[in-house]
Amino acid sequence: SQQGEEDPQALSIQEGENATMNCSYKTSINNLQWYRQNSGRGLVHLILIRSNEREKHSGRLRVTLDTSKKSSSLLITASRAADTASYFCATPGGGNKLTFGTGTQLKVEL
Amino acid sequence: DGGITQSPKYLFRKEGQNVTLSCEQNLNHDAMYWYRQDPGQGLRLIYYSQIVNDFQKGDIAEGYSVSREKKESFPLTVTSAQKNPTAFYLCASGGPQETQYFGPGTRLLVL
Repeated sequence: SQQGEEDPQALSIQEGENATMNCSYKTSINNLQWYRQNSGRGLVHLILIRSNEREKHSGRLRVTLDTSKKSSSLLITASRAADTASYFCATPGGGNKLTFGTGTQLKVEL
Repeated sequence: DGGITQSPKYLFRKEGQNVTLSCEQNLNHDAMYWYRQDPGQGLRLIYYSQIVNDFQKGDIAEGYSVSREKKESFPLTVTSAQKNPTAFYLCASGGPQETQYFGPGTRLLVL
């Protein structure tokens, strides 16, 4: 079952621009995570934000969480070609499981 | 090097054949997971194991089997009952705070 839904499904921007992708979920959560997947590779954990946090930063990444709207956003500032990847949000699915969203495919063009 | 490995990178299956995908981790994690990913899609959970000698079905377990005889290893068998096995298979182990660490994946193709 899919808990998170990312928006947009695909995003194409120029290098140096900011990229914003959103995740909506359905049930109450205690944390939300974002992962990156380069084409044909495994996922890499980027950042975890807890339900009592509104915003969290890690390098060029900024994540926000609005529990009242059941949504989160991932902002990548000053994007680079190397940021080209798919980005997934993940929420706890009970019993140490995660439920992943459908992903946003980001393409950063030179 | 700590990490999670999967082999082979590519696997070809003939009709009616069972094939086994390997997943090994040296992160000392108790939990391990198998996911299936179809083109342009998210991840769907096949099986997971929270401890040695125990495992549970995920959302799409039919046509698959697993074993967890050692903490480090969680092999996945795609049986002949899985009629549409072509996909990218990802193994993960569970780290702190419910984060997961993924292997590089195995792409299964049907001949």
